[in-house]
Amino acid sequence: ETGVTQSPTHLIKTRGQQVTLRCSSQSGHNTVSWYQQALGQGPQFIFQYYREEENGRGNFPPRFSGLQFPNYSSELNVNALELDDSALYLCASSKDRADTIYFGEGSWLTVV
Amino acid sequence: GENVEQHPSTLSVQEGDSAVIKCTYSDSASNYFPWYKQELGKRPQLIIDIRSNVGEKKDQRIAVTLNKTAKHFSLHITETQPEDSAVYFCAPKRRGSGGGADGLTFGKGTHLIIQP
Repeated sequence: ETGVTQSPTHLIKTRGQQVTLRCSSQSGHNTVSWYQQALGQGPQFIFQYYREEENGRGNFPPRFSGLQFPNYSSELNVNALELDDSALYLCASSKDRADTIYFGEGSWLTVV
Repeated sequence: GENVEQHPSTLSVQEGDSAVIKCTYSDSASNYFPWYKQELGKRPQLIIDIRSNVGEKKDQRIAVTLNKTAKHFSLHITETQPEDSAVYFCAPKRRGSGGGADGLTFGKGTHLIIQP
């Protein structure tokens, strides 16, 4: 166990809707990053939050947004859902933007 | 951006034999080289990592070797066991530019099958 928890574990949304996924980082970790993993692929970096600010972003459109709270937990929001957004969304935490990150179990999102 | 290739995509070995997976990357600024193991339906789990100032690192049956000149690093598993069956990902990372962070760039994965 990494101590990184995510919710919900599974959800189904309709195309065009909005979704919010949540992540609690490991105790003592102040950095959270989010990844999208499509079926049969490796995870892709969405963005990273450090001390409540976005600290880096991958090649994802603006409808993917996030927040980090004072307790270092984080949310990933996706607007205007598309079928291709169906994937496993992984949150990972680390301390002080360290390279070594630890993943939670992920949230499975299905868009229909 | 970083281009990452893993070979082979599928590897089947007899229990007790060794397995080697190779990862080639394109960005010479990469300086952190981890390997993750992902079992079906589970999270990626860090199994070993190495930094650019080190050529080799070993942890029990697992080792990673790095060739920065050729821009590749490899995962070596000796005395394979059934529980080693999983998908393995390499995920090199470059030092972030402009103060921003670059995430890990994952390869497409190698499906390792341990035959009893």
